[in-house]
Amino acid sequence: DQQVKQNSPSLSVQEGRISILNCDYTNSMFDYFLWYKKYPAEGPTFLISISSIKDKNEDGRFTVFLNKSAKHLSLHIVPSQPGDSAVYFCALNQGGKLIFGQGTELSVKP
Amino acid sequence: DTAVSQTPKYLVTQMGNDKSIKCEQNLGHDTMYWYKQDSKKFLKIMFSYNNKELIINETVPNRFSPKSPDKAHLNLHINSLELGDSAVYFCASSQERLGTGPNEQFFGPGTRLTVL
Repeated sequence: DQQVKQNSPSLSVQEGRISILNCDYTNSMFDYFLWYKKYPAEGPTFLISISSIKDKNEDGRFTVFLNKSAKHLSLHIVPSQPGDSAVYFCALNQGGKLIFGQGTELSVKP
Repeated sequence: DTAVSQTPKYLVTQMGNDKSIKCEQNLGHDTMYWYKQDSKKFLKIMFSYNNKELIINETVPNRFSPKSPDKAHLNLHINSLELGDSAVYFCASSQERLGTGPNEQFFGPGTRLTVL
């Protein structure tokens, strides 16, 4: 029973353009939502988070949007850079437990 | 300066063996975790310790036993290894008390376990 879904396993974007990664969830009982980035043979690294009481949080090139009525979360990266190529996981904080989606592999082409 | 380290990075072993994976964090965090990433790439929490006390124990077979000798270390011991245990195991740590804040967790590089 998947509480967090990332329906696009992969995404390819041209350098300089916007990357939009999406995440849907089923349970509304979450306080925080997080995005992690993972390079091959490394552990996930924290990117950005958003509280459930907000609808937007921005940090440099990264912006996370939360649409609670649609139970949808998205991460915008603009402008995209080749170094952004990685697997991106959304995660929901449920009482301290992080529940992860299955990830979207982003490829940014020069 | 590695924040969260795991040993070994790769582990290949036969079915039925017992093995351990070690994790250490030098961030001064109070809470540590073990996650399993299966073949479908899902990262799922297995255990969490706060100041050496077990606080999260997901539905994990009894063959898996975490041990925290101090708050900087969380080891994972697996008895009677099975084929289905093959996965990447990640250790993580966080400073926040459970239930407060986003609970940003810092992950180790992972241990790829292959059971033959």
